[in-house]
Amino acid sequence: EAQVTQNPRYLITVTGKKLTVTCSQNMNHEYMSWYRQDPGLGLRQIYYSMNVEVTDKGDVPEGYKVSRKEKRNFPLILESPSPNQTSLYFCASSMGQGGNQPQHFGDGTRLSIL
Amino acid sequence: KNQVEQSPQSLIILEGKNCTLQCNYTVSPFSNLRWYKQDTGRGPVSLTIMTFSENTKSNGRYTATLDADTKQSSLHITASQLSDSASYICVVRLGRGSTLGRLYFGRGTQLTVWP
Repeated sequence: EAQVTQNPRYLITVTGKKLTVTCSQNMNHEYMSWYRQDPGLGLRQIYYSMNVEVTDKGDVPEGYKVSRKEKRNFPLILESPSPNQTSLYFCASSMGQGGNQPQHFGDGTRLSIL
Repeated sequence: KNQVEQSPQSLIILEGKNCTLQCNYTVSPFSNLRWYKQDTGRGPVSLTIMTFSENTKSNGRYTATLDADTKQSSLHITASQLSDSASYICVVRLGRGSTLGRLYFGRGTQLTVWP
């Protein structure tokens, strides 16, 4: 089944403790992206990747890191999480780089930073 | 500043009725405009994608329009069903070469369909 898989789905952790949210897609998509969704603010793009070893900043990259060493994986790293990074996170992927293909979203990861 | 504005913020309609959601954007240069449906607690699902040269696109009971000159789009839902209750999100992709992957999201219109 074609899908985007995020792990974990839920995480409660403390300020400063490094964490990684994994994202994997099995559709051989070139484009992958991370978003956060906050009440009243909607979805905002954190980082995106047009292909392996190519990543770029989105709207709100501060406090986050990403890497794209393989086509299928695009982990989101919070080196020193803070409470303002408490949010619902979505990973998505799409075919090609030109951008006229729909994105497939994962089911989300709810992070709580205490 | 690149922005996407949606209206109304929320909407309640009766089952079987039609409705239209609006999206205005200032994103430039423009690559394409997408409408997504997001059920509570789930990831968004794509409804339509329109490029500069397309001014209407349908997906079942959903019809999106685009006026690239006025930078406006609408999503029309026909014969609404209870399952249409969701947030509808307008997304515009930047068309500049080095930042082709940048996407700008509206805050969504929360649609509630009552029986």
